[in-house]
Amino acid sequence: EDQVTQSPEALRLQEGESSSLNCSYTVSGLRGLFWYRQDPGKGPEFLFTLYSAGEEKEKERLKATLTKKESFLHITAPKPEDSATYLCAVQARQAGTALIFGKGTTLSVSS
Amino acid sequence: GAGVSQSPSNKVTEKGKDVELRCDPISGHTALYWYRQSLGQGLEFLIYFQGNSAPDKSGLPSDRFSAERTGGSVSTLTIQRTQQEDSAVYLCASSLGGPPDTQYFGPGTRLTVL
Repeated sequence: EDQVTQSPEALRLQEGESSSLNCSYTVSGLRGLFWYRQDPGKGPEFLFTLYSAGEEKEKERLKATLTKKESFLHITAPKPEDSATYLCAVQARQAGTALIFGKGTTLSVSS
Repeated sequence: GAGVSQSPSNKVTEKGKDVELRCDPISGHTALYWYRQSLGQGLEFLIYFQGNSAPDKSGLPSDRFSAERTGGSVSTLTIQRTQQEDSAVYLCASSLGGPPDTQYFGPGTRLTVL
């Protein structure tokens, strides 16, 4: 069964304290892996798409990487405005049209 | 350009009533998706539309749920005879083409069934 697991469920950081969020996946034929940010009461906001192992994408303080079994979202020197829930989703060949989402990691950054 | 828009932003209804939720996708996007996000749960796929093809309804939880997409643009998700377990945030997304193109989400409609 296709599955996406994110860890940790919650992460508290001090401003400037770098860390990484993990997304492990078990799918039959990865077609794409997506990272979204979701603020309370809002829809998911697109961050990155990764299509193949070894691929990396960067945007401001965020960097996403992909291997054959997992993806990491690295946050460098986070700021309080980076506080949000980060969602990972995969598009799997056998899953048809649906994105399979993890349950997310809720990040809190304090000043 | 404008992103995905949804209306209403909030809907409170009584058990047994029918509700309609609307989604306006990004202009030019051919694919449209509906998802449901319940408290403490991940996003759950409901239905997918691509151009003039038959929709993928494999995620609809029961026959009380239906959706249509008129003119290849606006979509309406209808829930008949609502139940309390239907309470959730209903999210719409669109993408330029079909999978695995990136999906862009709207703000969602929060549905509360009393």
